[in-house]
Order: sequence, then C-alpha cells, then structure tokens
Amino acid sequence: DAEITQSPRHKITETGRQVTLACHQTWNHNNMFWYRQDLGHGLRLIHYSYGVQDTNKGEVSDGYSVSRSNTEDLPLTLESAASSQTSVYFCASREAGGRYNEQFFGPGTRLTVL
Amino acid sequence: KNQVEQSPQSLIILEGKNCTLQCNYTVSPFSNLRWYKQDTGRGPVSLTIMTFSENTKSNGRYTATLDADTKQSSLHITASQLSDSASYICVVSATGTSYGKLTFGQGTILTVHP
Repeated sequence: DAEITQSPRHKITETGRQVTLACHQTWNHNNMFWYRQDLGHGLRLIHYSYGVQDTNKGEVSDGYSVSRSNTEDLPLTLESAASSQTSVYFCASREAGGRYNEQFFGPGTRLTVL
Repeated sequence: KNQVEQSPQSLIILEGKNCTLQCNYTVSPFSNLRWYKQDTGRGPVSLTIMTFSENTKSNGRYTATLDADTKQSSLHITASQLSDSASYICVVSATGTSYGKLTFGQGTILTVHP
C-alpha cells in the first residue's frame, strides 16, 4: 500500500546543530508539505513544494529549509537548531488538483532541542 | 486574518455516550471544511469533508454539520467507544491557491472513559 513515512520518529539535538528530518511518500504525489504542531497552536505550515525543484515558504519558515530533488522525498533541514524549534513535525502530501485538496499526513517526528 | 476556533478544548465522556464538538471559522473565501482525527503519536486522518453546498456528512458514528451562513460546524459522535479517544481537528480550506491553503484549529481532546 502507498504510504508516507517520516524518520527519525524521535530526535534530541543540541542548540546550534544542523538537523535534517526525512519525509518519503509512495503515492507519487506532486505536492508535499511540512508542518509543526505545538501546544496552543494548530498545525502551522513551514514549507511546501508543488513538484521537483520547486519549494515555497510557509507562515513559519524562518530557520528551516527544504529541497525537492525527486517526487518521493522532501527533507526538512534546521540550519542551526534553536530551543524554539522543539516541536512535533508532520509531513504531508497531496495529489495536485486532487478532489477537495485532501492532504495525507505522516506519523510525525518529535524533535527536542536542548 | 483566517482563523479556526474549536470548543471545548477538552472533553471527558463515558463510553457509550454521545458528544458534540464545535468549530467556528472566519476563513475566506471558503472552499471546504474537514474534520480530522489525530490519535496520540500519530498524524491526523480525515474523517469527513464538506463543501459550501453540503450541510451534513456522516462517516459511521461520526456526523459533521456545516452552516456556511454562520460559519459554524459541529462533529457529533454517537455511542462513543474507547477508541474515539483522540484529538479532533477542524480544518478549513480557502480557495485562491493551487494547493488549497489550510487553516487548522487547535483541536478538541476527547477522552472516553469505560
């Protein structure tokens, strides 16, 4: 069955380190997204991509970057991790032009920055 | 500013009882409203979706309603089960972007006790 996976599921790092979170989907969806989820907030969009070589900033993109070299993967990089980036990160994908714009979410990565 | 407000923040009910969760939104222009269920440690999974012209949608014991005039939605759960314990997130999609910009509510945490 097609799916979307994230790795690692849990990560502890130190302030200032570079961290990369992986996202892999097998639906062949063109659109992919990264969100963060924090207490007191709904999911907030970090970056998104419409397809290979395309990336766009979301509402909370500062300190994060993404790259899209193939359809299946959208890794999220924290250039210099900060304590404010402690959060749960969700990757999602969506078929371009898909009915009702449904996004399918991965299981999440819990990141702790000490 | 597009916003989605959910109430209550949390709810505890006994197994077998019914409950109703509320969602108010100010997203414009409106495209569709979706209710997601998020189990602890998992990504959100879609339960129902409604467009402007739909005022009710069922999925098993879950029934969602939409009043586009008052910009309110509710999710009614009938004959609750222990497995219904989760966070329920109201998500509203706006038109005007190719990926369907999503605004997430903070969620209602439902706990079902035996």
